[in-house]
Amino acid sequence: QKEVEQNSGPLSVPEGAIASLNCTYSDRGSQSFFWYRQYSGKSPELIMFIYSNGDKEDGRFTAQLNKASQYVSLLIRDSQPSDSATYLCAVNPNLYSSASKIIFGSGTRLSIRP
Amino acid sequence: EADIYQTPRYLVIGTGKKITLECSQTMGHDKMYWYQQDPGMELHLIHYSYGVNSTEKGDLSSESTVSRIRTEHFPLTLESARPSHTSQYLCASSVSREETQYFGPGTRLLVL
Repeated sequence: QKEVEQNSGPLSVPEGAIASLNCTYSDRGSQSFFWYRQYSGKSPELIMFIYSNGDKEDGRFTAQLNKASQYVSLLIRDSQPSDSATYLCAVNPNLYSSASKIIFGSGTRLSIRP
Repeated sequence: EADIYQTPRYLVIGTGKKITLECSQTMGHDKMYWYQQDPGMELHLIHYSYGVNSTEKGDLSSESTVSRIRTEHFPLTLESARPSHTSQYLCASSVSREETQYFGPGTRLLVL
């Protein structure tokens, strides 16, 4: 079992709809969670991070964390064609260790159709 | 915006040549990373460093080597390039306890 799992997609969503991206992780003690966006041929860029259970909103993006069920999701409201990209989920298994590093999932490819 | 730089951005080189990919960051981050990524594929961690004089191999076996003599600089070297090394190489950095990784623009390597 991979430490961070994502559906590879592609996920096709009509313009203006809500895109929902999901990620599960295996280490129950994981402390912090990140969503990155990667356009084709470009490097990943941070969208947002979340530490606490519940929702965190930033503009059209909402991250949702459920530690009991070990999943984190990203909602994109009012999807735009410019949101078409691969979305990477990343998990930090141990916030309190100087030797920790985040672990990336393999990414979900999102396509917004006009 | 993250201040992390990679050079060259594109490199076409013949088999057997020695190459060094440069990565520098001006954020004072203690941790640095090298990832390899083929088009449309997932990120693979090949090297990382927790600080000066600290280097570790990542999850994906790589014939490359790295060094970390200065905090801001984390070069990757291939002693003898082969066509199988053709890929995109991404450098990233983070600060301990926070761990958010910031990526450089990447180096696209083509070995003929």
